[in-house]
Amino acid sequence: DTAVSQTPKYLVTQMGNDKSIKCEQNLGHDTMYWYKQDSKKFLKIMFSYNNKELIINETVPNRFSPKSPDKAHLNLHINSLELGDSAVYFCASSQDLTVWSGELFFGEGSRLTVL
Amino acid sequence: AQSVAQPEDQVNVAEGNPLTVKCTYSVSGNPYLFWYVQYPNRGLQFLLKYITGDNLVKGSYGFEAEFNKSQTSFHLKKPSALVSDSALYFCAVRDSRDDKIIFGKGTRLHILP
Repeated sequence: DTAVSQTPKYLVTQMGNDKSIKCEQNLGHDTMYWYKQDSKKFLKIMFSYNNKELIINETVPNRFSPKSPDKAHLNLHINSLELGDSAVYFCASSQDLTVWSGELFFGEGSRLTVL
Repeated sequence: AQSVAQPEDQVNVAEGNPLTVKCTYSVSGNPYLFWYVQYPNRGLQFLLKYITGDNLVKGSYGFEAEFNKSQTSFHLKKPSALVSDSALYFCAVRDSRDDKIIFGKGTRLHILP
């Protein structure tokens, strides 16, 4: 059983389109994240949700909108895609922040290519 | 601001030799420090962490890391490298103000057969 699963694994689309990436975790964790890894492998946090509530929202364009229907799911919707959005997007999860030491569990990544 | 620095983009080591991947940190308060590994086309995997206690922390796959408070370093080490250790390694710190995990830029480790 995959602990943190993301779909799709690969996504190729045209500029201006809208796309979504889905993430699900079966670890019973309370907190989920989206990270963006650029072409130089630099990893930067985008969002964090704890029990469906947004707790971290980095300086990310409004075109990016996360949605957490329940604590096991965190989806990422991107409107009006731009060339600079091309990257690998990683979903991650962790235990409740009150007991958490900092270990993150990552999905396999979703590689987005905008043409 | 909390940050980590990985001064080497790439480290090359012959198989069987000891390896070190360097990391220095800047935090206010007590540091929570981590190492993660990323294999090609995979997500990051947790290797080890330092929160408190012994300065030498042991982790997965035979890796260990040494916390040095005076040098603000948390270098990753392994006594005998394997070709399968070749991967991208990230040092990270937990920001105590908002619990974000901040990653370094990564160091590519090449183990030469």
